[in-house]
Amino acid sequence: GQNIDQPTEMTATEGAIVQINCTYQTSGFNGLFWYQQHAGEAPTFLSYNVLDGLEEKGRFSSFLSRSKGYSYLLLKELQMKDSASYLCAVTDSNYQLIWGAGTKLIIKP
Amino acid sequence: GAVVSQHPSWVICKSGTSVKIECRSLDFQATTMFWYRQFPKQSLMLMATSNEGSKATYEQGVEKDKFLINHASLTLSTLTVTSAHPEDSSFYICSARDSLAGDTGELFFGEGSRLTVL
Repeated sequence: GQNIDQPTEMTATEGAIVQINCTYQTSGFNGLFWYQQHAGEAPTFLSYNVLDGLEEKGRFSSFLSRSKGYSYLLLKELQMKDSASYLCAVTDSNYQLIWGAGTKLIIKP
Repeated sequence: GAVVSQHPSWVICKSGTSVKIECRSLDFQATTMFWYRQFPKQSLMLMATSNEGSKATYEQGVEKDKFLINHASLTLSTLTVTSAHPEDSSFYICSARDSLAGDTGELFFGEGSRLTVL
């Protein structure tokens, strides 16, 4: 079956760095997405990785290793507004998105 | 970036009535749209894939006669919750892909519709 695993919840301190991991097992691979979702709102796009390596975009970076079925989202200089759920999603061979359950990130002052 | 508009944002209805939610791609064409449901503190659950000009594909466990989907044009898909009951109260979200752009698979989400059935 297809499966995406990410931690349920993480806690970090304002100004610090946090890494959210995602492992996947899917039938085929056509890219991995990270989305941010604040409570009561729709998800917003953060990043897309299809090749191995690190993609940096401001305070957020995303890493992919296809051979390991592994990705992480790195958030630097954490701000209180970064408190949200972070969803990992993988596009399989049919370009269908398989969603992880999301990681709730709690930022403490 | 591409914009998807969803309407209404909030709806409260009585048990037994039907509710229609619209999802529009404002600046791109979408041959495929997706409808999700999200219960509190849970992740997105794909309900169905809406295909322009053809029948929707429903996920296992989703009643197609209860959740009617119509994708009559390249920019509009509608979800109708028929004979709604309190257990249908949820956050419903649509998303779409830009059919004419290179298919990265990126989805653009509507704002979501919060349904409360009394």
